[in-house]
Amino acid sequence: DTAVSQTPKYLVTQMGNDKSIKCEQNLGHDTMYWYKQDSKKFLKIMFSYNNKELIINETVPNRFSPKSPDKAHLNLHINSLELGDSAVYFCASSKLAGGNSSYNEQFFGPGTRLTVL
Amino acid sequence: AQSVTQPDIHITVSEGASLELRCNYSYGATPYLFWYVQSPGQGLQLLLKYFSGDTLVQGIKGFEAEFKRSQSSFNLRKPSVHWSDAAEYFCAVAPYSSASKIIFGSGTRLSIRP
Repeated sequence: DTAVSQTPKYLVTQMGNDKSIKCEQNLGHDTMYWYKQDSKKFLKIMFSYNNKELIINETVPNRFSPKSPDKAHLNLHINSLELGDSAVYFCASSKLAGGNSSYNEQFFGPGTRLTVL
Repeated sequence: AQSVTQPDIHITVSEGASLELRCNYSYGATPYLFWYVQSPGQGLQLLLKYFSGDTLVQGIKGFEAEFKRSQSSFNLRKPSVHWSDAAEYFCAVAPYSSASKIIFGSGTRLSIRP
């Protein structure tokens, strides 16, 4: 059984289009994340949701909008795609991310490779 | 600001040889420290983590890492590598104040020579 799944695995699209990437976890976790991995393998957090509430929102263009219909899903919608958006996007989930000195292991999905032409 | 440096972009070792991947971090206090592995076409998997206590931590797949505060380092080691260890390895840190906000290094690609 897949713990964290993402669809699609590959996404090729034209500049200016709007696209969505879906993420689902069946681990019963409360916290979900989106990361972007660029062509140099540099991995950076974009967003994090606790029980459908946004808790981390890094400096990401507002063309990127995460949507969490329920705590098992965190979808990433991207408007007006640009060449620089080409990357691999990883979804992850963990048990509830709390305050100080609180860490729960993040489980990653297989990634979605987005190519903008 | 916190940062993580992995000075080696690509390392090749022979199967059965020992391995050490370097990681240095910059942070005002001791943060959470992690090593993740990414196999080709896969997501990241946690190998091990350090929060406090014993500075030598054991992880999965026979890996271990040693935290050295004086050197701000958290190097990953394995006494004998297997061909299946070929992958990308990421060192990462997270501050105590926001343990879920993980900052990753740029990764080290490990190739195994038969």
